[in-house]
Amino acid sequence: ETGVTQTPRHLVMGMTNKKSLKCEQHLGHNAMYWYKQSAKKPLELMFVYSLEERVENNSVPSRFSPECPNSSHLFLHLHTLQPEDSALYLCASSPVSGRNSYEQYFGPGTRLTVT
Amino acid sequence: GDSVTQMEGPVTLSEEAFLTINCTYTATGYPSLFWYVQYPGEGLQLLLKATKADDKGSNKGFEATYRKETTSFHLEKGSVQVSDSAVYFCALPYNNNDMRFGAGTRLTVKP
Repeated sequence: ETGVTQTPRHLVMGMTNKKSLKCEQHLGHNAMYWYKQSAKKPLELMFVYSLEERVENNSVPSRFSPECPNSSHLFLHLHTLQPEDSALYLCASSPVSGRNSYEQYFGPGTRLTVT
Repeated sequence: GDSVTQMEGPVTLSEEAFLTINCTYTATGYPSLFWYVQYPGEGLQLLLKATKADDKGSNKGFEATYRKETTSFHLEKGSVQVSDSAVYFCALPYNNNDMRFGAGTRLTVKP
Protein backbone atom coordinates (compact mmCIF):
# COMPACT_ATOMS: atom_id res chain seq x y z
CA GLU A 1 0.00 0.00 0.00
CA THR A 2 1.03 3.57 -0.55
CA GLY A 3 0.23 6.83 1.21
CA VAL A 4 -1.47 7.08 4.57
CA THR A 5 -3.94 4.42 5.65
CA GLN A 6 -6.33 4.44 8.59
CA THR A 7 -8.33 1.68 10.22
CA PRO A 8 -11.11 1.26 10.92
CA ARG A 9 -12.90 3.58 8.51
CA HIS A 10 -16.02 3.61 10.68
CA LEU A 11 -16.40 2.97 14.40
CA VAL A 12 -19.40 3.05 16.69
CA MET A 13 -18.68 2.79 20.38
CA GLY A 14 -20.43 3.24 23.66
CA MET A 15 -19.23 5.66 26.28
CA THR A 16 -17.76 2.90 28.43
CA ASN A 17 -15.88 1.13 25.63
CA LYS A 18 -12.16 1.20 24.91
CA LYS A 19 -11.06 1.23 21.30
CA SER A 20 -8.05 2.26 19.25
CA LEU A 21 -7.61 3.98 15.92
CA LYS A 22 -4.65 3.03 13.78
CA CYS A 23 -2.71 5.03 11.24
CA GLU A 24 0.11 3.82 9.04
CA GLN A 25 2.18 5.80 6.57
CA HIS A 26 4.21 4.29 3.77
CA LEU A 27 5.94 7.50 2.71
CA GLY A 28 9.08 7.44 4.85
CA HIS A 29 7.99 10.57 6.70
CA ASN A 30 9.26 11.63 10.12
CA ALA A 31 6.26 13.48 11.51
CA MET A 32 2.72 12.25 12.14
CA TYR A 33 -0.41 14.07 13.26
CA TRP A 34 -3.89 13.45 14.64
CA TYR A 35 -6.68 15.89 13.74
CA LYS A 36 -10.31 16.04 14.73
CA GLN A 37 -12.83 17.24 12.14
CA SER A 38 -16.36 17.93 13.31
CA ALA A 39 -19.23 19.58 11.54
CA LYS A 40 -19.22 22.77 13.57
CA LYS A 41 -15.51 23.47 14.01
CA PRO A 42 -12.48 23.88 11.78
CA LEU A 43 -9.89 21.15 11.71
CA GLU A 44 -8.41 20.82 15.19
CA LEU A 45 -4.85 19.59 15.65
CA MET A 46 -4.75 17.11 18.52
CA PHE A 47 -1.26 15.59 18.62
CA VAL A 48 2.02 15.80 16.74
CA TYR A 49 4.85 13.30 16.80
CA SER A 50 8.22 14.07 15.29
CA LEU A 51 10.75 11.25 15.14
CA GLU A 52 8.46 9.25 17.42
CA GLU A 53 8.48 11.87 20.19
CA ARG A 54 5.38 13.83 21.06
CA VAL A 55 6.01 17.50 20.37
CA GLU A 56 2.53 18.94 20.54
CA ASN A 57 -0.55 18.25 22.62
CA ASN A 58 -3.20 20.87 22.10
CA SER A 59 -4.99 20.54 25.44
CA VAL A 60 -6.70 17.34 24.42
CA PRO A 61 -8.72 15.55 27.14
CA SER A 62 -6.98 12.57 28.70
CA ARG A 63 -9.64 10.21 27.36
CA PHE A 64 -7.62 10.44 24.12
CA SER A 65 -4.22 8.80 24.42
CA PRO A 66 -1.80 8.72 21.48
CA GLU A 67 0.96 6.23 20.87
CA CYS A 68 3.71 6.28 18.28
CA PRO A 69 5.76 3.08 18.45
CA ASN A 70 7.78 3.91 15.32
CA SER A 71 7.87 6.50 12.58
CA SER A 72 5.41 4.58 10.41
CA HIS A 73 2.65 3.90 12.92
CA LEU A 74 0.43 6.08 15.04
CA PHE A 75 -2.40 5.05 17.33
CA LEU A 76 -5.13 6.93 19.13
CA HIS A 77 -6.47 5.04 22.13
CA LEU A 78 -9.97 5.98 23.18
CA HIS A 79 -11.73 5.39 26.49
CA THR A 80 -14.82 6.74 28.25
CA LEU A 81 -15.63 9.05 25.37
CA GLN A 82 -18.53 11.50 25.26
CA PRO A 83 -21.11 11.91 22.49
CA GLU A 84 -19.50 15.26 21.55
CA ASP A 85 -16.36 13.32 20.63
CA SER A 86 -18.19 11.96 17.59
CA ALA A 87 -16.28 13.25 14.59
CA LEU A 88 -13.98 12.34 11.73
CA TYR A 89 -10.46 11.65 13.02
CA LEU A 90 -7.79 12.29 10.46
CA CYS A 91 -4.20 11.15 10.52
CA ALA A 92 -1.52 12.94 8.52
CA SER A 93 2.21 12.71 7.95
CA SER A 94 4.92 14.99 6.61
CA PRO A 95 8.60 14.59 5.80
CA VAL A 96 9.59 16.96 8.63
CA SER A 97 7.80 19.10 11.15
CA GLY A 98 8.53 22.78 11.42
CA ARG A 99 7.24 26.16 10.29
CA ASN A 100 8.51 25.65 6.78
CA SER A 101 7.54 22.02 6.77
CA TYR A 102 6.56 20.23 3.67
CA GLU A 103 2.87 19.74 3.05
CA GLN A 104 1.01 17.15 5.04
CA TYR A 105 -0.43 13.98 3.56
CA PHE A 106 -3.73 12.82 4.99
CA GLY A 107 -5.37 9.46 5.44
CA PRO A 108 -9.06 8.91 4.64
CA GLY A 109 -10.10 9.26 8.27
CA THR A 110 -12.06 7.22 10.80
CA ARG A 111 -15.67 8.24 11.25
CA LEU A 112 -16.31 7.82 14.98
CA THR A 113 -19.76 7.76 16.52
CA VAL A 114 -20.11 7.67 20.31
CA THR A 115 -23.48 6.46 21.54
CA GLY B 1 -1.15 34.36 15.87
CA ASP B 2 -0.91 33.31 12.27
CA SER B 3 -4.22 32.36 10.72
CA VAL B 4 -6.23 32.10 7.52
CA THR B 5 -9.76 33.29 6.84
CA GLN B 6 -11.69 31.93 3.91
CA MET B 7 -15.08 32.79 2.51
CA GLU B 8 -17.97 30.94 3.99
CA GLY B 9 -19.98 28.64 1.83
CA PRO B 10 -21.68 26.79 0.64
CA VAL B 11 -21.04 27.73 -2.96
CA THR B 12 -23.25 26.28 -5.69
CA LEU B 13 -22.31 26.69 -9.34
CA SER B 14 -23.39 25.32 -12.67
CA GLU B 15 -20.94 23.26 -14.69
CA GLU B 16 -18.42 25.39 -16.66
CA ALA B 17 -18.93 28.40 -14.37
CA PHE B 18 -16.00 30.42 -13.03
CA LEU B 19 -14.97 29.73 -9.45
CA THR B 20 -13.34 32.00 -6.89
CA ILE B 21 -12.90 31.05 -3.24
CA ASN B 22 -11.36 33.85 -1.23
CA CYS B 23 -8.63 33.30 1.35
CA THR B 24 -6.74 35.92 3.32
CA TYR B 25 -3.98 35.30 5.80
CA THR B 26 -2.36 36.87 8.84
CA ALA B 27 1.25 35.90 9.41
CA THR B 28 4.61 37.08 10.60
CA GLY B 29 6.96 36.76 7.70
CA TYR B 30 6.01 34.95 4.54
CA PRO B 31 5.10 31.34 5.16
CA SER B 32 4.15 28.87 2.46
CA LEU B 33 0.46 28.82 1.63
CA PHE B 34 -1.63 25.81 0.68
CA TRP B 35 -4.99 24.82 -0.70
CA TYR B 36 -6.31 21.41 0.27
CA VAL B 37 -9.39 19.64 -1.10
CA GLN B 38 -11.57 17.06 0.62
CA TYR B 39 -13.79 14.94 -1.61
CA PRO B 40 -16.83 13.23 -0.04
CA GLY B 41 -15.85 10.39 2.24
CA GLU B 42 -12.13 11.07 1.97
CA GLY B 43 -9.33 12.81 3.82
CA LEU B 44 -7.70 16.03 2.70
CA GLN B 45 -5.46 16.14 -0.35
CA LEU B 46 -3.00 18.85 -1.23
CA LEU B 47 -4.37 20.71 -4.25
CA LEU B 48 -1.68 23.35 -4.75
CA LYS B 49 0.84 25.46 -2.89
CA ALA B 50 2.96 28.59 -3.15
CA THR B 51 6.17 29.03 -1.19
CA LYS B 52 6.84 32.76 -1.62
CA ALA B 53 5.23 36.05 -2.55
CA ASP B 54 4.08 36.35 -6.18
CA ASP B 55 4.30 32.59 -6.68
CA LYS B 56 1.39 30.99 -8.48
CA GLY B 57 0.38 27.47 -7.54
CA SER B 58 -1.62 25.45 -10.04
CA ASN B 59 -3.05 21.96 -10.39
CA LYS B 60 -6.03 20.32 -12.13
CA GLY B 61 -7.05 23.67 -13.65
CA PHE B 62 -7.05 25.43 -10.27
CA GLU B 63 -4.78 28.40 -9.60
CA ALA B 64 -3.90 30.62 -6.66
CA THR B 65 -1.41 33.49 -6.47
CA TYR B 66 0.41 34.45 -3.27
CA ARG B 67 -0.18 38.20 -2.99
CA LYS B 68 1.57 39.86 -0.08
CA GLU B 69 0.17 43.33 -0.81
CA THR B 70 -3.37 42.09 -0.17
CA THR B 71 -2.35 39.15 2.07
CA SER B 72 -4.46 36.90 -0.09
CA PHE B 73 -4.30 33.49 -1.74
CA HIS B 74 -7.59 33.21 -3.60
CA LEU B 75 -8.43 29.94 -5.37
CA GLU B 76 -9.73 30.18 -8.95
CA LYS B 77 -10.82 27.87 -11.72
CA GLY B 78 -12.08 28.98 -15.08
CA SER B 79 -14.56 26.18 -15.74
CA VAL B 80 -15.71 23.91 -12.94
CA GLN B 81 -16.92 20.35 -13.37
CA VAL B 82 -19.30 18.22 -11.34
CA SER B 83 -16.27 16.24 -10.15
CA ASP B 84 -14.90 19.39 -8.47
CA SER B 85 -17.67 19.21 -5.86
CA ALA B 86 -15.80 19.03 -2.56
CA VAL B 87 -14.74 21.07 0.47
CA TYR B 88 -11.75 23.38 -0.06
CA PHE B 89 -9.41 24.47 2.74
CA CYS B 90 -6.87 27.25 2.76
CA ALA B 91 -3.91 26.62 5.12
CA LEU B 92 -0.56 27.85 6.37
CA PRO B 93 2.06 26.34 8.67
CA TYR B 94 2.25 27.81 12.17
CA ASN B 95 4.90 27.50 14.87
CA ASN B 96 6.94 24.38 14.39
CA ASN B 97 4.32 21.74 14.20
CA ASP B 98 0.95 23.23 13.47
CA MET B 99 -0.93 23.76 10.23
CA ARG B 100 -3.65 26.35 10.50
CA PHE B 101 -6.63 25.54 8.31
CA GLY B 102 -9.50 27.77 7.32
CA ALA B 103 -13.05 26.71 8.10
CA GLY B 104 -13.51 25.14 4.68
CA THR B 105 -15.75 26.11 1.77
CA ARG B 106 -18.14 23.54 0.39
CA LEU B 107 -18.52 23.68 -3.38
CA THR B 108 -21.36 21.95 -5.21
CA VAL B 109 -21.31 21.92 -9.00
CA LYS B 110 -24.57 21.06 -10.73
CA PRO B 111 -24.79 19.61 -14.25
